[in-house]
This record gives sequence, C-alpha cells and structure tokens, in this order.
Amino acid sequence: QVQLVESGGDLVKPGGSLRLSCAVSGFTFSDYYMNWIRQAPGKGLEWVSYISTSGYTNSADSVKGRFTTSRDNAKNSLYLQMDSLTVEDTAVYYCARGGSSDYWGQGTLVTVSS
Amino acid sequence: DIQMTQSPSSLSASVGDRVTITCRASQGIRNDLGWYQQRPGKAPKRLIYAASTLQSGVPSRFSGSGSGTEFTLTISSLQPEDFATYFCLQHNTYPRTFGQGTKVEIK
Repeated sequence: QVQLVESGGDLVKPGGSLRLSCAVSGFTFSDYYMNWIRQAPGKGLEWVSYISTSGYTNSADSVKGRFTTSRDNAKNSLYLQMDSLTVEDTAVYYCARGGSSDYWGQGTLVTVSS
Repeated sequence: DIQMTQSPSSLSASVGDRVTITCRASQGIRNDLGWYQQRPGKAPKRLIYAASTLQSGVPSRFSGSGSGTEFTLTISSLQPEDFATYFCLQHNTYPRTFGQGTKVEIK
C-alpha cells in the first residue's frame, strides 16, 4: 500500500538549518509530482513547495530563497532543505503525493525557537 | 492566489445527524477540489476527489458536490469515528490553497 514517512523534524534555533526527508513506498515514486505542506500550531494548512517528475520546483513566496526541494528517485525519497529558519516556520511538515495530493504522510514537527 | 473559504469552522452534532460543510473558491476551479479528514496525529485522509468522486474504501455516507466556486461535503449519518477535522484543497492552480478546516465535535 502507499506509504509516505517524513523524518528529520527537530528543535532548531532561528537562523538555523534543517533537512526533512520523506521516504515513500507502494508506488512508482518517479511517476509522481510531490508536495510539501505545513501546518503551524493552531493554524490552517499551507502549501510549501512541489517538485515535478523532471525535477522542476516551485515554492510559496513565504519560503522562496530559503527552502529547497529535491528528490532522489533511486532512493524513493523527497527532501526539503530549510535554511534561514524563523519562528514562523514552526509547523508540522507533511509530504503529499501527486498534483492532487491524494496520499499524505503523518508529518514531522519542526520547532524554531531560541 | 485562490482563496478557499470554508464554513463552518466548527460544529457540534450527534451520531446519526446529517452534516454539511461548504468551501467557496474566490475564482472558478472547475472540479479540482478534494475533501480530507484529519485526526490528531494522523495523516490527512482524502475522502472525495474531483469534487464528487468517493475515494476507494471510503464509506458511502460521505458525498461531495459542486463545481466552479461552490463545493459541499455531506456526511449523511454521522458515526462516532467521523468526529474529526475536515478540510478542502484546491488543486486547480499553484499555490495550492486550503479551506481553514471544520472541526466536527460530539454534541
């Protein structure tokens, strides 16, 4: 069955960096666009970025220039490199499959605090 | 960006009740909308895609309708396991945008 498992969330200081991973199984990863989506505590969902099957990426204005999305099809993995983190980046980060985000992982918590 | 306005933000209902949740898009999105259920600590689960198509394995008490700018999720007879938060997602354009969520609580 389709599975997405995020990892890498942690407590980090403002200005710091973190790399999230999303390991997938149960489908042909290279055939799908992939998304990162986040949810700050007590807030709604916010789309963060996507990566196409060919590696083209696009991201929300709130993270543009700070976050980088990549994928390794051989490892069935999606990544989110987060730099210059601020307290506003504190959230649970989800990866989701496809342009319509049909399957999601359970999320990984990123806390940015001094 | 397309704004998705979801209502109500919360509701209290009893087992067996009919529940309706609405999402309104700020511009037409055809039927490029999904409805999801989210329980605390769990992965969001898609219930409905293409506005009105039931995801495989989802109980038939869930249904969706609408096209363009107005969309509705209906639970025909609320069950104990349905107490959760529900949200809509438009995938017509990037950036993807979400409804703010509806928390369905036990009356």
